[in-house]
Amino acid sequence: QKEVEQDPGPLSVPEGAIVSLNCTYSNSAFQYFMWYRQYSRKGPELLMYTYSSGNKEDGRFTAQVDKSSKYISLFIRDSQPSDSATYLCAMRGGNNRLAFGKGNQVVVIP
Amino acid sequence: NAGVTQTPKFRILKIGQSMTLQCTQDMNHNYMYWYRQDPGMGLKLIYYSVGAGITDKGEVPNGYNVSRSTTEDFPLRLELAAPSQTSVYFCASSEQGAGSNQPQHFGDGTRLSIL
Repeated sequence: QKEVEQDPGPLSVPEGAIVSLNCTYSNSAFQYFMWYRQYSRKGPELLMYTYSSGNKEDGRFTAQVDKSSKYISLFIRDSQPSDSATYLCAMRGGNNRLAFGKGNQVVVIP
Repeated sequence: NAGVTQTPKFRILKIGQSMTLQCTQDMNHNYMYWYRQDPGMGLKLIYYSVGAGITDKGEVPNGYNVSRSTTEDFPLRLELAAPSQTSVYFCASSEQGAGSNQPQHFGDGTRLSIL
């Protein structure tokens, strides 16, 4: 079983829709959870960072962590064409490295 | 504000050739990382460094070497290039270690094809 599972299937939504992305993980030692956004031909940039179970909001973005189920989610409200990108989940346990999911390509259609 | 700069942006190599991917950061970060990203496969850590003179292996170090003689520079060396090393390579840096709320800042990548 991979440490981090993220279904890499592309996702197309109409502008204004809610985008829902998720990752599952197997390592119960993971404590820090992140979402990175990566535009085409660019490096990833940190979008959201959470430490504990629960929800964290930042504008139109909500990150959700459920440690008991080893499940994290990212929601994008009122999606915009500028949100079209690949979203990667990432998490860290006790060592000095991040484990990344495969990434979800999101396309928001005007 | 340059951040993390990677050169070259694109390169085609023949099997068996060698090359060095350059990475420079101007944020005075101690931590630096090299990742590779294959289509649909996420990011895999190759090597990382916690400061000048200190490097350590990541998940997929075979076929690569690194050095960290200065805080700013963290070059990645490919010896005897193989088709399996065709990938997009990203360098990143951070003020604190992975997992802190300090983000990893990524360069825009080097697209490498080995034929």
